[in-house]
Amino acid sequence: DVVMTQSPLSLPVTLGQPASISCRSSQSLVHSDGNIYLSWFQQRPGQSPRRLIYKVSNRDSGVPDRFSGSGSGTDFTLRISRVEAEDVGVYYCMQATHWPAAFGPGTKVDIK
Amino acid sequence: EVQVVESGGGLVQPGGSLRLSCAASGFTVSNYNMNWVRQAPGKGLEWVSFLSSSGSTRQYADSVKGRFTTSRDNAKDSLYLQMNSLRDEDTAVYYCTKDRGMAVWGRGTLVTVSS
Repeated sequence: DVVMTQSPLSLPVTLGQPASISCRSSQSLVHSDGNIYLSWFQQRPGQSPRRLIYKVSNRDSGVPDRFSGSGSGTDFTLRISRVEAEDVGVYYCMQATHWPAAFGPGTKVDIK
Repeated sequence: EVQVVESGGGLVQPGGSLRLSCAASGFTVSNYNMNWVRQAPGKGLEWVSFLSSSGSTRQYADSVKGRFTTSRDNAKDSLYLQMNSLRDEDTAVYYCTKDRGMAVWGRGTLVTVSS
C-alpha cells in the first residue's frame, strides 16, 4: 500500500507571510492513464474537509489564488502565498492513483 | 448546487449493524465514482470504500473488508454503506465524497459503537 507522509505536522505561521507543506508518497503517483491523482484538502475547525487542489496543481472553484500546488512523482507541495486568519486548520494530502486511496497524517496550521 | 447529505448514523452496540445513506443533489450519482471516508474523533481522515460509476468495481479498506458493503440506488440518486459486525474502532464521522478526487463532501454522519 502507498504511504503518505507530510511535513511539518505543525506549522505556526505569521499573518501575511508565506507557508509551505510537503507531502511525499512511498511510490510514484503517476497513473497508467498519465494522470497524478494527488489532492489537497483543508479542514477548518469544526467543519468538513474541503478540497483545494486536485491532480497536483489544479485549484478548485472558489479557492483563493493564494493557494497553489506543485510536484511530481513522489514529492508534492502546497503553498499559501500570504496566510490569512481563515486559513487556520488542518491540511491533508491524498493519493487516489493506487488502491487503497490514502491520506497523509495532516498538517495543523495556526497563527503565531 | 452540487452537494451530498449523509444520514443514518447513531449509537450501536459492538457486533451490531447500521446502514448509512448519502443523498446527492445537483449531480447524478450513477455518473460518478463515489467514496466513503471516515474520521475518528480527534484523528485524521481514513478512506473506507469506493464504488465506480459503472458499478463494476468496489474497493474497501482492509480494516472494513468483509464487514462493510457499499451500494447504490440509481432511482433515488443515493449511495449506501451497510456496516455489519461493528467494532469500537469503527466509531467515527462518516463522509460521502464525489468522484475519484473527492471533490465534494457532506457534513458527515456520526457513528458511535459502544456498549
